[in-house]
Amino acid sequence: DGGITQSPKYLFRKEGQNVTLSCEQNLNHDAMYWYRQDPGQGLRLIYYSQIVNDFQKGDIAEGYSVSREKKESFPLTVTSAQKNPTAFYLCASSFRSSGNTIYFGEGSWLTVV
Amino acid sequence: GENVEQHPSTLSVQEGDSAVIKCTYSDSASNYFPWYKQELGKRPQLIIDIRSNVGEKKDQRIAVTLNKTAKHFSLHITETQPEDSAVYFCAASEKGSTLGRLYFGRGTQLTVWP
Repeated sequence: DGGITQSPKYLFRKEGQNVTLSCEQNLNHDAMYWYRQDPGQGLRLIYYSQIVNDFQKGDIAEGYSVSREKKESFPLTVTSAQKNPTAFYLCASSFRSSGNTIYFGEGSWLTVV
Repeated sequence: GENVEQHPSTLSVQEGDSAVIKCTYSDSASNYFPWYKQELGKRPQLIIDIRSNVGEKKDQRIAVTLNKTAKHFSLHITETQPEDSAVYFCAASEKGSTLGRLYFGRGTQLTVWP
């Protein structure tokens, strides 16, 4: 768990601005994920990537974008097209040999003001 | 895709009692079922998991049971303590893949009263 670093931990954004959340892992994990968490909504998948230079949309990808140029990095951009961006964002990763076990970063709180 | 239902959404128990949280899933090909515990403001952490070739798994006060025929699995916590208070999430794997996504339930807020 300690090998997944998210930054910033708290971020305030004005409406109409894009913002990028950073996620770095030093666990040599193959797959990386972004989840959004709202009260009572559980964990909803935004995007995931199983290998470098490839990623797939999750259940709520609209208004978000990602890139996977390096194995250890999976940044998430929240664009102005995302209508309700205020939420807790969790990055996660998994190691191929452990199957589907995923481990989470500490999360980033995004507030739109 | 997979659909995971989790019940109850809230659960209150007295310290020392047992707590049970149940989940159902829709995809019979799912083969991996983890449980995560999330304390307020913190990240979800894996507490126990089970694979489809096993019916039950225990780790001290925590156990998970899996019924593949009925497509449901449950988390059992015995001798609950106040520090067990948290939100618990169940999850099921994507269709039999070894490196696929997980589908999460909506979570259960467990409160253990001293």
